[in-house]
Amino acid sequence: AQSVTQLGSHVSVSEGALVLLRCNYSSSVPPYLFWYVQYPNQGLQLLLKYTTGATLVKGINGFEAEFKKSETSFHLTKPSAHMSDAAEYFCAVSGADSSYKLIFGSGTRLLVRP
Amino acid sequence: GAGVSQSPSNKVTEKGKDVELRCDPISGHTALYWYRQSLGQGLEFLIYFQGNSAPDKSGLPSDRFSAERTGGSVSTLTIQRTQQEDSAVYLCASSPDLTGGYGYTFGSGTRLTVV
Repeated sequence: AQSVTQLGSHVSVSEGALVLLRCNYSSSVPPYLFWYVQYPNQGLQLLLKYTTGATLVKGINGFEAEFKKSETSFHLTKPSAHMSDAAEYFCAVSGADSSYKLIFGSGTRLLVRP
Repeated sequence: GAGVSQSPSNKVTEKGKDVELRCDPISGHTALYWYRQSLGQGLEFLIYFQGNSAPDKSGLPSDRFSAERTGGSVSTLTIQRTQQEDSAVYLCASSPDLTGGYGYTFGSGTRLTVV
């Protein structure tokens, strides 16, 4: 079965510092990979996705992620954190079986210190 | 509509009562998901509808939970004889096609509180 592991339930960075949120997946077939962001009391918003093609994917709000098949990873990065980036981030995988069921990691809460 | 609409946004119910949660997906989207998000927890898959195929119900936690999708559009999640552990935010999402390659658009959720 497909699964997603997000390392670190909480990540704290200073404003202006690099943001790195880790995501590893397990899949026996090429996956579709997603990062979603959830602001307090809101639904999930798609940040970026990888389906095929270029392995470095750029998303909204300056975020990007790189699909590394050899490492089964899809880490999310942003060069310089803003206070407005404080939220919960979810990595998700689908396409690993015929049902294309979307499976989420447990989430990482990003805290941005002034 | 422009987005995925869920109603009600908040629901407080007494233990043992039945509740119905509604999801109105983006027009034309063929795939529809229900997820549950408990306090401090990740997203738990509940059920998945894809086009006219039989739904994937593998995530429903008990037979008190059921869902239907009428006419390939609106979906209703029903919880019978609610229990306190059913308290959570129930999220609905839809996607333009069956592969998920476009990503999934989520609604704002229904916050269910069982007292």
